[in-house]
Amino acid sequence: AQKITQTQPGMFVQEKEAVTLDCTYDTSDPSYGLFWYKQPSSGEMIFLIYQGSYDQQNATEGRYSLNFQKARKSANLVISASQLGDSAMYFCAMREGLANYGQNFVFGPGTRLSVLP
Amino acid sequence: GAVVSQHPSWVICKSGTSVKIECRSLDFQATTMFWYRQFPKQSLMLMATSNEGSKATYEQGVEKDKFLINHASLTLSTLTVTSAHPEDSSFYICSARHRNQPQHFGDGTRLSIL
Repeated sequence: AQKITQTQPGMFVQEKEAVTLDCTYDTSDPSYGLFWYKQPSSGEMIFLIYQGSYDQQNATEGRYSLNFQKARKSANLVISASQLGDSAMYFCAMREGLANYGQNFVFGPGTRLSVLP
Repeated sequence: GAVVSQHPSWVICKSGTSVKIECRSLDFQATTMFWYRQFPKQSLMLMATSNEGSKATYEQGVEKDKFLINHASLTLSTLTVTSAHPEDSSFYICSARHRNQPQHFGDGTRLSIL
């Protein structure tokens, strides 16, 4: 079963506008963490933002915010004031069982964001 | 912040040769390291998980004799692609973590087999 779903293979946004990248997840573990990574064309994985399953407030990091809706099992990434440098692949990832340090990430298929000038 | 160094960043070699990729945690002890493979325009696929001092655990479908993983110390893991063929050409990324801390990714290695 797909644990992480990103339904938008590609997205376009005008520079300076906000964009929301969708992510839904599936887990029966009450303890989990959700992550968003950016992967530019050069290939490196850049950590953007983290949300823990017990966090009461939505995570924010600069222009990035995570719209965490636990009941719906969604963790959408919102990028405000898009910049040309935001053009990249974006991956949503989940790690189950916060106490188990052996656990790895499960990645979604990714969304390619293109920011238009 | 925590840094993971991956080397080489790009390697081109002839079919039939073996290629070693190194993954180092520079400022923390990596109790667990992960190796991922990424095909163009696709997500990262976990190949194997290695805990320091133990044999790597491979994901289903990954040939352990083809992709040799060694995690001999708390700061170094290596992935050796043995007898590499063109279908092994891919982007390989490692990540490392200390116990329950977040993973940190290397910058990846582009492997091209001619």
